[in-house]
Amino acid sequence: GQNIDQPTEMTATEGAIVQINCTYQTSGFNGLFWYQQHAGEAPTFLSYNVLDGLEEKGRFSSFLSRSKGYSYLLLKELQMKDSASYLCAVMDSNYQLIWGAGTKLIIKP
Amino acid sequence: ETGVTQTPRHLVMGMTNKKSLKCEQHLGHNAMYWYKQSAKKPLELMFVYNFKEQTENNSVPSRFSPECPNSSHLFLHLHTLQPEDSALYLCASSQSKDGGANVLTFGAGSRLTVL
Repeated sequence: GQNIDQPTEMTATEGAIVQINCTYQTSGFNGLFWYQQHAGEAPTFLSYNVLDGLEEKGRFSSFLSRSKGYSYLLLKELQMKDSASYLCAVMDSNYQLIWGAGTKLIIKP
Repeated sequence: ETGVTQTPRHLVMGMTNKKSLKCEQHLGHNAMYWYKQSAKKPLELMFVYNFKEQTENNSVPSRFSPECPNSSHLFLHLHTLQPEDSALYLCASSQSKDGGANVLTFGAGSRLTVL
């Protein structure tokens, strides 16, 4: 079966760096997405990786290793507003999105 | 505002009621989706419409009935629901259904509680 694994919850300190991991086992691969969802709000697109390597976008970076079935989202200079759930999703060979259950990130002062 | 608007934001209904959820997108997208989001579970895809045609129905019970009158509007009609149907229902849209970099734009969701 197809599966996406990510930690259920993480805690970090304001100003620090946190890495949220995502491992996947899917039928084929057509890209990996990260979305951010604040409580009571819509998930919003953060990043898309289809080739191996690191994509940097301001304070957020996303890394992909297709051979290892692994990605991470790196958040630097954490701010209180980064408290949210982070959803990892993989597009399989049929262009179906397979979702992880999300990682709830709690930022403490 | 994401460009995808869902109403109502909250809905409480009894098991014998009939209600509808509405979704409208102002992005000129051609594909629209209904997802179910339950606590600590992955998003569950329910229905997909591409250019107003239903392309996917992921074994969703018939008590959920989608309607897509045009590319900008999507409805989810609800009847004789069960308490386990209580969840956040998310609508999303994208430029098209296929393609690798298919970024979804979500609405804020309709929180449904079935008593």
